[in-house]
Amino acid sequence: EVQLVQSGAEVKKPGESLKISCKGSGYSFTSYWIGWVRQMPGKGLEWMGIIYPGDSDTRYSPSFQGQVTISADKSISTAYLQWSSLKASDTAMYYCAREGLDWGQGTLVTVSS
Amino acid sequence: DIQMTQSPSSLSASVGDRVTITCQASQDISNYLNWYQQKPGKAPKLLIYDASNLETGVPSRFSGSGSGTDFTFTISSLQPEDIATYYCQQYDNLSYTFGQGTKLEIK
Repeated sequence: EVQLVQSGAEVKKPGESLKISCKGSGYSFTSYWIGWVRQMPGKGLEWMGIIYPGDSDTRYSPSFQGQVTISADKSISTAYLQWSSLKASDTAMYYCAREGLDWGQGTLVTVSS
Repeated sequence: DIQMTQSPSSLSASVGDRVTITCQASQDISNYLNWYQQKPGKAPKLLIYDASNLETGVPSRFSGSGSGTDFTFTISSLQPEDIATYYCQQYDNLSYTFGQGTKLEIK
């Protein structure tokens, strides 16, 4: 069974850094793109970017380029989404997805002073 | 950047009704279009891929059609469990964009 298991909810202050994770299992982790999707409270889905763990080829939505970093460690079948300096506007649910087929359960990130 | 215009933004229908949602791409995306269902507090679920292919296990009352720039998603006979928000998503050339979503309610 394919599973994407995301790290737990986070509460951070503005200016702090954060790295959330998405661990894949039940399939060849290096053979499928993994994307990250943001959903702000009460809002729609926004595609942030995508990574191919096989060679770490990464593409970003223009809206998120320079705002976040997507990476992957294929030795532990895990993809990451990280921020160097969080803002209150980063408060959202973040999902990882394997080429849209399978989704993680979501990680809620709350940024508040 | 390809833009997706989805309509309507909300829809109220009765059980048994035929429901249609449309999505228009700002440029030709061939058939590189998915449709997702999202229920409150849950991750999205893929229903239709490549514009018209039903994902395994998805009821046959769901269907999709279209190519190029204009796409349609249909529920042939609305059921109470179909209450959700539906999104289209294009995936042309490793650039992905979602439509704004359609919130479906029971009348």
